[in-house]
Amino acid sequence: GAVVSQHPSWVICKSGTSVKIECRSLDFQATTMFWYRQFPKQSLMLMATSNEGSKATYEQGVEKDKFLINHASLTLSTLTVTSAHPEDSSFYICSVGRDEQFFGPGTRLTVL
Amino acid sequence: AQRVTQPEKLLSVFKGAPVELKCNYSYSGSPELFWYVQYSRQRLQLLLRHISRESIKGFTADLNKGETSFHLKKPFAQEEDSAMYYCALKGGGNTPLVFGKGTRLSVIA
Repeated sequence: GAVVSQHPSWVICKSGTSVKIECRSLDFQATTMFWYRQFPKQSLMLMATSNEGSKATYEQGVEKDKFLINHASLTLSTLTVTSAHPEDSSFYICSVGRDEQFFGPGTRLTVL
Repeated sequence: AQRVTQPEKLLSVFKGAPVELKCNYSYSGSPELFWYVQYSRQRLQLLLRHISRESIKGFTADLNKGETSFHLKKPFAQEEDSAMYYCALKGGGNTPLVFGKGTRLSVIA
């Protein structure tokens, strides 16, 4: 299966700053990557579909100007949380794959 | 609308007892159904998918289209089975997974 990494694994930032999270597909050419958010003790909620070379598709209720997604290559998608606020604190997870999805280890974001 | 329902938030069973984690789905079409497991401090990983009809770690799941269910079963629970279990569905093509809310399985020694 595909090997997916995320960086950083954990980040703490001040309110109002921006944070970039990377998702790398190490051995799979991913034209599409998915970004999920997981709040404590809750399930994964799809935020957006990242498309290589084109605009991301956002789920209803997810602000595209706040969660900027860039998918510049077949192995890298980035999620930038702009002007982060404490309510953005969550676990962000990416996945790649066609029939079977392979998940990254997640990035824990804490906004103070 | 696509929806996955896992009615139990927490399921506690004794070691050696049978386990059944329930999953019902709503989808207009023929979805693919999956069970994912998340052990403590580990990433989400695939446990089963309905089209492979495999038994992984003693777990099985049968897709019942009439009841729109995909319950996960194991005849004899082990302590190492304690984890979060998520049922998920996927439409055709390069579409994302839709997850249920998850069931935490706790196997008591």
